[in-house]
Amino acid sequence: AQSVTQLGSHVSVSEGALVLLRCNYSSSVPPYLFWYVQYPNQGLQLLLKYTTGATLVKGINGFEAEFKKSETSFHLTKPSAHMSDAAEYFCAVSDRGAQKLVFGQGTRLTINP
Amino acid sequence: DGGITQSPKYLFRKEGQNVTLSCEQNLNHDAMYWYRQDPGQGLRLIYYSQIVNDFQKGDIAEGYSVSREKKESFPLTVTSAQKNPTAFYLCASSRGTSGGSTDTQYFGPGTRLTVL
Repeated sequence: AQSVTQLGSHVSVSEGALVLLRCNYSSSVPPYLFWYVQYPNQGLQLLLKYTTGATLVKGINGFEAEFKKSETSFHLTKPSAHMSDAAEYFCAVSDRGAQKLVFGQGTRLTINP
Repeated sequence: DGGITQSPKYLFRKEGQNVTLSCEQNLNHDAMYWYRQDPGQGLRLIYYSQIVNDFQKGDIAEGYSVSREKKESFPLTVTSAQKNPTAFYLCASSRGTSGGSTDTQYFGPGTRLTVL
């Protein structure tokens, strides 16, 4: 079965520093990959997704992610953290032809002033 | 405005009672989903529906039931058989069968259920 691993349940960075949130998936066939963000007591909002084509995907709020097939990874980055980026981030995958998403455990991002 | 609404935002229930969570969407999406969120466990799929009058069990369907009588609505009932129902419940929708697995799922604001 498809699975997703997010390394680090909690990441803390200083305002203005690089944000790096890690995501690895298990699949012999490259899946479709998603990053969602959740603010406290709210639903999830799509940041970006990879389906086909360019492996570097740009999303909203200055985030981007790179699909690396050889490493089965889809890490999320942002060059300069802002206080408003504090939230929980979820990586998710779906198999080609499937309607279901499988989510990672989530990474809570804290921004220090 | 198009979107997904869930009600109520907070719900309290006594042990042994069934309770129904509402989910409505006006996005004209075919597919709808229910997830349960617990701290440190991400989101787990309870039920999903790809078309009216049809639905499938997800990974943790025991103790839950759903119906899909209308395209816009996908209510979830948490029954007394669910042993640990206290959680945050999220409803989502996507375009469905026409879009395939590349579809973005759009989420509602969630309902926090607490069993007293």
